[in-house]
Amino acid sequence: AQTVTQSQPEMSVQEAETVTLSCTYDTSESDYYLFWYKQPPSRQMILVIRQEAYKQQNATENRFSVNFQKAAKSFSLKISDSQLGDAAMYFCAYASGASGTYKYIFGTGTRLKVLA
Amino acid sequence: NAGVTQTPKFRVLKTGQSMTLLCAQDMNHEYMYWYRQDPGMGLRLIHYSVGEGTTAKGEVPDGYNVSRLKKQNFLLGLESAAPSQTSVYFCASNDGKANEKLFFGSGTQLSVL
Repeated sequence: AQTVTQSQPEMSVQEAETVTLSCTYDTSESDYYLFWYKQPPSRQMILVIRQEAYKQQNATENRFSVNFQKAAKSFSLKISDSQLGDAAMYFCAYASGASGTYKYIFGTGTRLKVLA
Repeated sequence: NAGVTQTPKFRVLKTGQSMTLLCAQDMNHEYMYWYRQDPGMGLRLIHYSVGEGTTAKGEVPDGYNVSRLKKQNFLLGLESAAPSQTSVYFCASNDGKANEKLFFGSGTQLSVL
């Protein structure tokens, strides 16, 4: 069975600095997708970035980028120039349709605090 | 375009009471999901549906039932609530493609006393 592990329950970063959130996963499938979701205090789940496993190039969305290491099964999120609005819970997620019916699997989350 | 709407947003139950959470989506999505979110546990899949009239068990289905009588609605029922079911419940939907993001509702905070 696939698993997603976020080993950092909580992280802190100074405003304008860079922070990296870690995520590792375990799968025997070769075709899958990885996501980072942000959950601010409003509780709304917001997609931050997604990565296709077949793409070697790391995904980037403005200040957010990933370091995707397929062989190591690692998918970390880098937030550059951190802003107060980045404070939230961040979830790493895995999805694959190899079995015919796909399901998302989420990690346990990392709470990011941004210090002014 | 409302997206995914969950009702109610908050609810307090006594042990043994029953209730139904309603999820409605207006995006014509085939797939719908119910998750629960607990501190330190992330989001865990309770049940899901791949189309009207179908349901399937997820990771933590015990104590819950679901129905998908209409494509746009996905109901989550608690027949006899227990304190262990105190959680935040999220409904989500999409078209069932692995590369597609999930569209989430705003969640239901349920407390069982």
